[in-house]
Amino acid sequence: GENVEQHPSTLSVQEGDSAVIKCTYSDSASNYFPWYKQELGKRPQLIIDIRSNVGEKKDQRIAVTLNKTAKHFSLHITETQPEDSAVYFCAASSGGSYIPTFGRGTSLIVHP
Amino acid sequence: KAGVTQTPRYLIKTRGQQVTLSCSPISGHRSVSWYQQTPGQGLQFLFEYFSETQRNKGNFPGRFSGRQFSNSRSEMNVSTLELGDSALYLCASSVGQGNEKLFFGSGTQLSVL
Repeated sequence: GENVEQHPSTLSVQEGDSAVIKCTYSDSASNYFPWYKQELGKRPQLIIDIRSNVGEKKDQRIAVTLNKTAKHFSLHITETQPEDSAVYFCAASSGGSYIPTFGRGTSLIVHP
Repeated sequence: KAGVTQTPRYLIKTRGQQVTLSCSPISGHRSVSWYQQTPGQGLQFLFEYFSETQRNKGNFPGRFSGRQFSNSRSEMNVSTLELGDSALYLCASSVGQGNEKLFFGSGTQLSVL
């Protein structure tokens, strides 16, 4: 089955800095890569996703890049703000699976 | 459009007891999946139901079971509770086509004493 590794487990940055979270996956058939954000005490919510026919996707201050050859994808957050503090989960799924496999999460702390 | 609703929000049980958690998906969603969340372990997949059938299953013991009703509402049952079952249990709903956005509920926080 699919295996998703996520790094780092904790990331601490100053407000205004950029943050990068990296994930690798094992199944070359995976073609859908969502990212979820879970604020403290709240439910995970999708913030951005990318499909394998696209190398990069942006939405305001967040962007995701995908390298299919190396089987890794990354989340980039620019100009971080305290409200970006949360746990971020990457995931991967293939057309044959209806359920994504999640990474273990990255706790992002943005210091004012 | 109402979101995914989970009940109860909190539960306290003792070892050996059993518990049933409920999840009502977004209207029109036919897939409901369940996850166990513990600190440092991320989201561990339990099982997924689609149109009243278990379509996918994770690596959890048989003490964990579930079902889905004709209105897509789902229940999860844990029998013979162990201390290690203490966790946040999240359900998520989707249309069920695969490779799509999951909508999570707020979860049920289960504490086993």
